[in-house]
Amino acid sequence: EVQLVQSGAEVRKPGESLKISCKVSGYSFTRYWIAWVRQMPGKGLEWMGIIYPRDSDTRYSPSFQGQVTISADKSGDTAYLQWNSLKASDTAMFYCARRGLYEGSGFEYWGQGTAVTVSP
Amino acid sequence: SYALTQPPSVSVSPGQTASITCSGDNLGDTYACWYQQKPGQSPVLVIYKDSKRPSGIPERFSASKSGKTATLTISGTQAMDEAEYYCQAWDGSTYVFGAGTRVTVL
Repeated sequence: EVQLVQSGAEVRKPGESLKISCKVSGYSFTRYWIAWVRQMPGKGLEWMGIIYPRDSDTRYSPSFQGQVTISADKSGDTAYLQWNSLKASDTAMFYCARRGLYEGSGFEYWGQGTAVTVSP
Repeated sequence: SYALTQPPSVSVSPGQTASITCSGDNLGDTYACWYQQKPGQSPVLVIYKDSKRPSGIPERFSASKSGKTATLTISGTQAMDEAEYYCQAWDGSTYVFGAGTRVTVL
């Protein structure tokens, strides 16, 4: 069974750093792209970026380029999303999602989401 | 990147058909996917490659695409289908989501 299990909710202050995780199981981690998606409170889905764990090829949305870093640890079957300096506007739910093998396959499997709250 | 435009809301009576459109300049050149998201839950893929249904998705969910507009259709809508629906596409360098359509089953 394919599973993407994300790390738990986080509360941080502005300016702090944070790294959240998405551990996968039930399939070969290196074969599928993993994306990160933001959902701000009461708002829609926003694609942040995507990584191919086999070679760490990473693409970012222009809206998030330079604001976050996406990485992957092949030995631990885990993808990460990190911030160096959080802002209050980073408060949101963040999802990881596995893309299907081929373009157009969509994001077939999703993690349960990690809620991030940034508040003084 | 470009935008995908969806209506903010659609209302449907139980048992009737709901249709949600998604338009975008590049949609004619790329695949559209659709996701269902219920409150407090992660999104679920309901349609990929314009019109294909993943295993486990009920047959009442169907989709099509014509030119720059993709359409998700829910036939015989049930109360459990009340949710937010998002279209999504790849524009060659980024993935884009529509703003979402709230489907209300009255």
